[in-house]
Amino acid sequence: QKEVEQNSGPLSVPEGAIASLNCTYSDRVSQSFFWYRQYSGKSPELIMSIYSNGDKEDGRFTAQLNKASQYVSLLIRDSQPSDSATYLCAVVRGTGFQKLVFGTGTRLLVSP
Amino acid sequence: AAGVIQSPRHLIKEKRETATLKCYPIPRHDTVYWYQQGPGQDPQFLISFYEKMQSDKGSIPDRFSAQQFSDYHSELNMSSLELGDSALYFCASRNRDPTDTQYFGPGTRLTVL
Repeated sequence: QKEVEQNSGPLSVPEGAIASLNCTYSDRVSQSFFWYRQYSGKSPELIMSIYSNGDKEDGRFTAQLNKASQYVSLLIRDSQPSDSATYLCAVVRGTGFQKLVFGTGTRLLVSP
Repeated sequence: AAGVIQSPRHLIKEKRETATLKCYPIPRHDTVYWYQQGPGQDPQFLISFYEKMQSDKGSIPDRFSAQQFSDYHSELNMSSLELGDSALYFCASRNRDPTDTQYFGPGTRLTVL
């Protein structure tokens, strides 16, 4: 079992809809949580970071963290075709410049 | 704003050859991470450096070595290349802020023939 789990998708939503991406992690000492967007053949691009329980909003994006359930989610409102990409959930365990542990990513397809 | 620079962007090598990948972190970032991403896979951590010292080691083959230099740039040296080494290699950097945020370079696409 991978330390960070995501549904590989593809998740298909129509333009203007809300896309909901989910991620679970197994290590309870995980401290920092990230969502990266990756277009095919390109590098991961940071979308959101979240560190404490609750919601964090940035423009069309909302990250949600529930440490008790070991669950992180990303909501994308008013989805656009340009949002079509793979979304990687990443976790940092503990502190002290730890590495990122990635999930396998969820492929999002937004149809016009 | 300055970003992480990686060179070369594309590299084609034959089996058993060697390759050197370079990474120039964002100015004032003192920590560098290397990740390998195979086709259809998530990025896998290889190795990291903090203040020119190796800080963590992941699933890096013994054929690979890396170091961070006094100007904080890092090089990943890969020897006896195998077909399975074909992948995207990303470098990421961060500074000492407590957010753990890593910023990725554009990557080097290595193809081993």
